[in-house]
This record gives sequence, structure tokens and C-alpha cells, in this order.
Amino acid sequence: EAGVVQSPRYKIIEKKQPVAFWCNPISGHNTLYWYLQNLGQGPELLIRYENEEAVDDSQLPKDRFSAERLKGVDSTLKIQPAELGDSAVYLCASSPRVGANVLTFGAGSRLTVL
Amino acid sequence: GQNIDQPTEMTATEGAIVQINCTYQTSGFNGLFWYQQHAGEAPTFLSYNVLDGLEEKGRFSSFLSRSKGYSYLLLKELQMKDSASYLCAVRIPQAGTALIFGKGTTLSVSS
Repeated sequence: EAGVVQSPRYKIIEKKQPVAFWCNPISGHNTLYWYLQNLGQGPELLIRYENEEAVDDSQLPKDRFSAERLKGVDSTLKIQPAELGDSAVYLCASSPRVGANVLTFGAGSRLTVL
Repeated sequence: GQNIDQPTEMTATEGAIVQINCTYQTSGFNGLFWYQQHAGEAPTFLSYNVLDGLEEKGRFSSFLSRSKGYSYLLLKELQMKDSASYLCAVRIPQAGTALIFGKGTTLSVSS
């Protein structure tokens, strides 16, 4: 079974530029999550989708961040414009609607804003 | 707010046993998870506890006491490849299936 796929793995941009991250979850996983992880810290939830509906986006800074999950499968997280403090790893995860609903994470997209 | 505490760093030697503690104060509880994360890689699932007691899975065991808001991850017969960050995470009713993570414990295993 293929895991959660994210791209790009690394992105370097200048401040005020836009950036987008893409995530393909595990097939059949209804729930998709975007987390932000700063160096030496645990992941922090940005947004959670149930199918194509964003059911929890309370931690998403909506002035510059946006996300979408078209057709309830792939998802894109966008930052426009990026700020220096946005430098972090953006992790995507998905979970099935069975058992312990264990989250499986992708390898992440590491963003550096100069 | 939700609070999950773990030690920042721990060191141990190959073949030894190490216990990583996690305490939590959260508004509700629907389960506790442990993940392992090697540098630059994805967090990977290790264990899940929702009832009090010990869950054993090979060299790894996890314990939960809901009344004390306490869990530990026990790693036996340590190997160099166990050097990683260990993340404690709690699920609460208000967050649905999402997890709230602690800051992680960086474990260094030396020979």
C-alpha cells in the first residue's frame, strides 16, 4: 500500500512570495490533516478534512493560508504571501474511519523563507 | 488549553532499557498515541492506549493511567536505530480524530 505522498519535499522562497504544497493521502482514508512542525517541536494541527469538508480550520491563519481538498482525495495547502516565520515542515496525514483511526503521516514539505 | 509534557532529551546505551514519560492535562480524553520520528522523516505510529494498563508490542510497550494523566513508553534492548524523537499525542473529543502532540523527546542511543 502506498503511503501518504507529499510534494515538494523542499522549497526555498523569498518572503512575500506564494507557495503551495500538495498531498495525496492513502487510498480510502476519508480524513486528511495538515500539520505544521517547527524544529524541535511537535506537530501542530492546521486543518482537518472529512472527505471534502473542512471540519476544523480553527488553527489555520486565514489571512495568508488557504487549503482545499477537491473531490475528497488530494489536498493543497497554500501560503500567500509567505513570511519569515512560516519556515517549518508542513506535514500531511490521513486516517481511516475504522479502529483507532490511526494517523499515517507523509514525509513532509520543508519550507525555508528567506 | 491543552498541555502535554515530555522530557526534552534522554540518553541511553545499546542493550539498555529506557522509559519515556508523558503527562497530560486536557479537556477530555479519547486515547493516547506514541509516534517515532527520525530526523527529516515522517512520524510513524508505535502504540495506542485508550484503557488503563500496559500494551506490549515487541521491544516497545506503552502504559496508561487515565486517573493520573500519565503514560510512558518503554523501549527494551535498545539499538542504535532507536535514536529518534518520540512524540506523545492525545486525542480529545473537541478535536475529533485529530491528535494534540507534545514537543517530543529526543533519544540518543550510544554504543
